[in-house]
Amino acid sequence: AQTVTQSQPEMSVQEAETVTLSCTYDTSESNYYLFWYKQPPSRQMILVIRQEAYKQQNATENRFSVNFQKAAKSFSLKISDSQLGDTAMYFCAFMKQEFYFGSGTKLNVKP
Amino acid sequence: DSGVTQTPKHLITATGQRVTLRCSPRSGDLSVYWYQQSLDQGLQFLIQYYNGEERAKGNILERFSAQQFPDLHSELNLSSLELGDSALYFCASSVEGTPYEQYFGPGTRLTVT
Repeated sequence: AQTVTQSQPEMSVQEAETVTLSCTYDTSESNYYLFWYKQPPSRQMILVIRQEAYKQQNATENRFSVNFQKAAKSFSLKISDSQLGDTAMYFCAFMKQEFYFGSGTKLNVKP
Repeated sequence: DSGVTQTPKHLITATGQRVTLRCSPRSGDLSVYWYQQSLDQGLQFLIQYYNGEERAKGNILERFSAQQFPDLHSELNLSSLELGDSALYFCASSVEGTPYEQYFGPGTRLTVT
């Protein structure tokens, strides 16, 4: 079975600064997808960014970018110019046939 | 708004009881997925249906069952409820061939007392 590990239960960042959330995973698969989901206090799951394992180029979505290191099985999320609305739980997820989620990192953006 | 609807939003029931959670996927989506999120935990995949047929099964208890109807809505049935079943239950949907593009509903908060 695949496992996804988020080693930072909680992080804080000042508004307008940059923060990086870590994620590692364990798999023997070569083709798969990786995701970061955001869960604000409303509890809605919101897709932040997606990375296909066969793509070497790191995905970016506006202020959000990833550092995908396939050999190291690492998939970190960088949030630039942090905003108060970025305050949420962030979940890393792996998908081959099914989704496997990490335990989450609680991010608090301070004014 | 993802286009996925779930009812009810909140449900409070007693141990030993049975409940049914309902999910309507986005228009055109054939796949429905169910997830359980216990307090401050990540999501656990329960089960997937595709066009009425069970497609994949995750960590779903025998006390839980699901089905997808001809109109593509899905129901998750939870029986002989225990305190530990208290959680947020999410439904997600995707179009055929794109399981990596799941759209999540707002969830149903189940509290077992």
